[in-house]
Amino acid sequence: KQEVTQIPAALSVPEGENLVLNCSFTDSAIYNLQWFRQDPGKGLTSLLLIQSSQREQTSGRLNASLDKSSGRSTLYIAASQPGDSATYLCAASISGSARQLTFGSGTQLTVLP
Amino acid sequence: GAVVSQHPSRVICKSGTSVKIECRSLDFQATTMFWYRQFPKQSLMLMATSNEGSKATYEQGVEKDKFLINHASLTLSTLTVTSAHPEDSSFYICSARDAAAVQETQYFGPGTRLLVL
Repeated sequence: KQEVTQIPAALSVPEGENLVLNCSFTDSAIYNLQWFRQDPGKGLTSLLLIQSSQREQTSGRLNASLDKSSGRSTLYIAASQPGDSATYLCAASISGSARQLTFGSGTQLTVLP
Repeated sequence: GAVVSQHPSRVICKSGTSVKIECRSLDFQATTMFWYRQFPKQSLMLMATSNEGSKATYEQGVEKDKFLINHASLTLSTLTVTSAHPEDSSFYICSARDAAAVQETQYFGPGTRLLVL
C-alpha cells in the first residue's frame, strides 16, 4: 500500500527566502505526482503535476522535482511571499485503472512579512 | 482550468438525520469522481471511487451503507451521509477526473463542511 510522507510538518520563514518542501513515497510504481495548496477551510488548488516519466515541472516561482528511484519529490518555492502561506500537500497517483491519489499529511508554511 | 463545484458548502444537522452532498463537474465530463474526508489538522483520506453508471468502490474501513454514493451522470456524483452522528463531522471534498484530458489531473471541489450536533 502506498504511503506518502511530508517533512517538515510546519515551516516558518521570513519573506524573500527560498525554501524546499519534501515528499517521500514508498511505492515507486506511481502514475504521477501532484502538489497542491490548501488554504484554511478551503479546497485544494493544483500547483504542479509531474508524470512518472518526467523529472521536474516549473510554474512561475514553483519548481517540483521527481525521483522515482529514491521515492522522493521536492517543491521548491523561490522568493517566498506572505501570500504563499498555506498548507502544501503532495499526492501520488498509483498505477492502475482508477488512479487514486494518496496524500501526504502536508506541510504548513508560514511566510513572515 | 476545469471547475468542480460542491453543494452545500456548509451544513449543520441534528444527529440521526441524513445529509446529501453534491459534486458537479461544470465544464467537463467526469467518468470517475473521488470522495475524500479530511479531519482537522489531518490530510485527505480517500473514502470511495465513484464511477458513472456503476457501483462505487469503497476504501477499507468506510461503510458503504452509511456513505451512499450515486454517480448518475457524467457531471454529477452525490454522497449521502445516512443517520449522521457527531463523529461524522468533517470536511468532505470531491474530485473529478477529466475523461478527455491527456494528463489525468484531478480537479477538486471547494469542500463541504459537515457539523453534526
